[in-house]
Amino acid sequence: AQSVAQPEDQVNVAEGNPLTVKCTYSVSGNPYLFWYVQYPNRGLQFLLKYITGDNLVKGSYGFEAEFNKSQTSFHLKKPSALVSDSALYFCAVRYNQAGTALIFGKGTTLSVSS
Amino acid sequence: EAGVAQSPRYKIIEKRQSVAFWCNPISGHATLYWYQQILGQGPKLLIQFQNNGVVDDSQLPKDRFSAERLKGVDSTLKIQPAKLEDSAVYLCASSLEGLERDGYTFGSGTRLTVV
Repeated sequence: AQSVAQPEDQVNVAEGNPLTVKCTYSVSGNPYLFWYVQYPNRGLQFLLKYITGDNLVKGSYGFEAEFNKSQTSFHLKKPSALVSDSALYFCAVRYNQAGTALIFGKGTTLSVSS
Repeated sequence: EAGVAQSPRYKIIEKRQSVAFWCNPISGHATLYWYQQILGQGPKLLIQFQNNGVVDDSQLPKDRFSAERLKGVDSTLKIQPAKLEDSAVYLCASSLEGLERDGYTFGSGTRLTVV
């Protein structure tokens, strides 16, 4: 069965510092991996995805993520955090098979202080 | 393009009452998903439709939850009777054909409070 783990409930960083939000996954075969962000009282917004190719993928708002197959990880990163990045972040995985749904991690709250 | 529309935004009901949520996916999107997001947890898939057929409802509590997508467009999720533990945000998402490799598009959700 496929699953996603986000080991940190909360990540705290100072504005201007680099940030990392961790994600590990378990899925047979080659996974499709996603990051979503959720602001209060809002739906989930797509940030970026890994399907195939370059292990470093770039997404919205300056975020990027690095796919590491040997460590089964897909950590979200940003070189310089903004206060406005404070939100709830979800990692998700799905099979590379038609008709399968996303499986989400439990989420990590990112808090960026000024 | 218009996004995924959901209504109502908020609903408060008493336990044992019934409630229904509505979702209108992006035009042309064949696949529709209902997720339940309990506070402090990630979204959990309840049911997936491909057009008007059910692809996966293995995690839908069928003794109290039901969903339909009669014409392959709009969908309704119903809970009857509601329990306190059903308090959650119910998210609807759609994608083009299930082969979609991009992130699915989510609606803003319906926040249900059962008292």
